[in-house]
Amino acid sequence: DGGITQSPKYLFRKEGQNVTLSCEQNLNHDAMYWYRQDPGQGLRLIYYSQIVNDFQKGDIAEGYSVSREKKESFPLTVTSAQKNPTAFYLCASGLAGGNEQFFGPGTRLTVL
Amino acid sequence: GIQVEQSPPDLILQEGANSTLRCNFSDSVNNLQWFHQNPWGQLINLFYIPSGTKQNGRLSATTVATERYSLLYISSSQTTDSGVYFCAVLRTYKYIFGTGTRLKVLA
Repeated sequence: DGGITQSPKYLFRKEGQNVTLSCEQNLNHDAMYWYRQDPGQGLRLIYYSQIVNDFQKGDIAEGYSVSREKKESFPLTVTSAQKNPTAFYLCASGLAGGNEQFFGPGTRLTVL
Repeated sequence: GIQVEQSPPDLILQEGANSTLRCNFSDSVNNLQWFHQNPWGQLINLFYIPSGTKQNGRLSATTVATERYSLLYISSSQTTDSGVYFCAVLRTYKYIFGTGTRLKVLA
């Protein structure tokens, strides 16, 4: 099946621990994106990548890091520097050049 | 930066009613998408509509880029239409999301 997968669906971590969220796509899309959604709010862009081995900060990149070593994969690390990491994290992909985006099912991160 | 405003913020309808959701944006954009977020959080693509009008079943959308707004029409609403509707506008490779319209359709 073609699509975007995110794992895990739910993630619990203790405060002060780094955690990595997985995002994989088999749509042959060049561009990938990470968004954060807080309860009752819209989506805010964390990082995006238009091509392998290149990525740019979005609007709320502090406390997060990414890598783009493969076209299919764009993992997001939530570091201990992120002040309020509990949120719903959504990954998206699309063709390069700012075309239509498609979203994965999301990961709900809770930091205890 | 560009501002994206959606109205109304909340909407309650009786099943079978029609509705219009609005998305205003403060500057020119390259593209615009409408999404439906279901109760499980999944974002479902409704329309990719930088300009003009598109229809898909009971849903249709119109974007007037020169006047910086887009409209989403839902006709004969069903309970499964409940959820949050987002518009997102594209500026230099980045999509900026509005705050959404929360729709509840009552049986």
